[in-house]
Amino acid sequence: SAVISQKPSRDICQRGTSLTIQCQVDSQVTMMFWYRQQPGQSLTLIATANQGSEATYESGFVIDKFPISRPNLTFSTLTVSNMSPEDSSIYLCSVEQGYNEQFFGPGTRLTVL
Amino acid sequence: AQTVTQSQPEMSVQEAETVTLSCTYDTSESNYYLFWYKQPPSRQMILVIRQEAYKQQNATENRFSVNFQKAAKSFSLKISDSQLGDTAMYFCAFYSTGAGSYQLTFGKGTKLSVIP
Repeated sequence: SAVISQKPSRDICQRGTSLTIQCQVDSQVTMMFWYRQQPGQSLTLIATANQGSEATYESGFVIDKFPISRPNLTFSTLTVSNMSPEDSSIYLCSVEQGYNEQFFGPGTRLTVL
Repeated sequence: AQTVTQSQPEMSVQEAETVTLSCTYDTSESNYYLFWYKQPPSRQMILVIRQEAYKQQNATENRFSVNFQKAAKSFSLKISDSQLGDTAMYFCAFYSTGAGSYQLTFGKGTKLSVIP
């Protein structure tokens, strides 16, 4: 399976600021995904990011709040904009490989004060 | 829309014993995949096992096996010879490419504690 890294691993931010999370994969992948995991909760898909096209956002998530870039087949970024304490979560990227299997990065723990 | 239900928020098992985690799902799709993921305190999501809906044979991966009942829309995970390292949150997940969606739908998770 792909080796996926995320930066930063954790951060504490002030409300109203923005944070960009990076996701790097050690092999080329077509589909990358960004998930949010709120404290004590399950994972919710934010958006699907394919290289060369606009990200596809799930209901309840908008591009102005969570802009995503996908400049090549091994890299993607997710920005959490104009943050509020409600954005405190773990943000995970994943990639699809093999038989519709998704493999996850280690996650970014974000705390907004 | 697909839904995944894990009815056991928390479970515990003695080391070396066997435990079964429950999962049910609801879908109108005929072709789909089911997964169990493990999330230890390190928060890394780890794929434990997968099952294709078209396969009648239950998947097994070493100490992990599933009981897939398609008609009942049930997909339970059995962990044999439980080890301390099995302590984690376990998430059941559903995946279908129907209607062009590539979304993994997760259940709320079961927190498993393995007791020495």
